[in-house]
Amino acid sequence: DTGVSQDPRHKITKRGQNVTFRCDPISEHNRLYWYRQTLGQGPEFLTYFQNEAQLEKSRLLSDRFSAERPKGSFSTLEIQRTEQGDSAMYLCASSLDRATGEAFFGQGTRLTVV
Amino acid sequence: AQTVTQSQPEMSVQEAETVTLSCTYDTSENNYYLFWYKQPPSRQMILVIRQEAYKQQNATENRFSVNFQKAAKSFSLKISDSQLGDTAMYFCAFMKVQGAQKLVFGQGTRLTINP
Repeated sequence: DTGVSQDPRHKITKRGQNVTFRCDPISEHNRLYWYRQTLGQGPEFLTYFQNEAQLEKSRLLSDRFSAERPKGSFSTLEIQRTEQGDSAMYLCASSLDRATGEAFFGQGTRLTVV
Repeated sequence: AQTVTQSQPEMSVQEAETVTLSCTYDTSENNYYLFWYKQPPSRQMILVIRQEAYKQQNATENRFSVNFQKAAKSFSLKISDSQLGDTAMYFCAFMKVQGAQKLVFGQGTRLTINP
């Protein structure tokens, strides 16, 4: 296991289309996070899974966004009816359920909505 | 809600020099972690150093050290003997120990090490 993997690395889509991103966390990590990073800014928390349960969602996550983590393994983030404001880097991170706090990040999926 | 502020959008130093990146944060929590993450161009974010709030001793990792001032809510990163590979965006981040353990990031400092 070489780390957190995200697919695709880049996605260009037309406004109004749906897109789905995938994240494969480090295999033994039960916590999985999605963050969004816009140009020149720090990442912002979107949502958090512990195993298969989605335990927290940010107010940034509008109704057009949905995330799943079936069976507590990989996760998907879907954006419906994309808007130009959705253009950003979407980062996935995973960590173990213990009090060390260290999260491991994937390389991200860069979404461009045209 | 917690906030993290990095007041230096960009910094530039010569190779082998020492550089200090600033970070302040605001929280009412007493039990938390602070982190510095490095994000090289087009590469993934990696952890540089971590500080537990209950520890008075400042964390160090090789050339990287922090100055943690809990009362002042300040958490600066010092990079000694800077190297070209240190060129990256650096993010300061806060995490509550309890709950979701989500990271709250600052805006970042773009650090350039010049040869």
